[in-house]
Amino acid sequence: ILNVEQSPQSLHVQEGDSTNFTCSFPSSNFYALHWYRWETAKSPEALFVMTLNGDEKKKGRISATLNTKEGYSYLYIKGSQPEDSATYLCASALSSNTGKLIFGQGTTLQVKP
Amino acid sequence: DTGVSQNPRHKITKRGQNVTFRCDPISEHNRLYWYRQTLGQGPEFLTYFQNEAQLEKSRLLSDRFSAERPKGSFSTLEIQRTEQGDSAMYLCASSYHRDRGYTEAFFGQGTRLTVV
Repeated sequence: ILNVEQSPQSLHVQEGDSTNFTCSFPSSNFYALHWYRWETAKSPEALFVMTLNGDEKKKGRISATLNTKEGYSYLYIKGSQPEDSATYLCASALSSNTGKLIFGQGTTLQVKP
Repeated sequence: DTGVSQNPRHKITKRGQNVTFRCDPISEHNRLYWYRQTLGQGPEFLTYFQNEAQLEKSRLLSDRFSAERPKGSFSTLEIQRTEQGDSAMYLCASSYHRDRGYTEAFFGQGTRLTVV
């Protein structure tokens, strides 16, 4: 059974704070790790996909790292803004053959102005 | 192309009724996935297609659920004799699979089903 775990489950921060979330996944049979941002009433939006141990990706104020040997990924948001409020999902792909994703339960971020 | 489109966005149905959802993927994408998300959980895989072939079904997909992708374009997900436990967000995603490399999936906005 493959479990992808995210922590914390929810987070409330003030505008301007920096924050980070954790995603842990089984390191065996790993192929790729995805991060999605899901705002209410919208589609989950792909942020990053990482495949190699030590990968680091950045998009604006958001960055992510990957450790496949120990089975974790961190997502960082620098200087949080109210528009960053969303649920952040990580998902592990076991194999490129199916593309099937195993999702964590998500971290819901609320940024207060 | 405006991305993955799902219809309807919301559906309220009485227990025991049948419902059908539709997903239109990004036009050149050959793979199509269905996921289900319940409150407090992440999306869970239900099934996927490559072109018109249904290649994998989760054990979550009971006999009351059926999915089709005729002609390898749009897909439908039907739930027969709905139960309250079927209330969830049903997400569709599509991707372009090729033998080499890895491509990410793009999601629709989902269909929220409420069974009363």
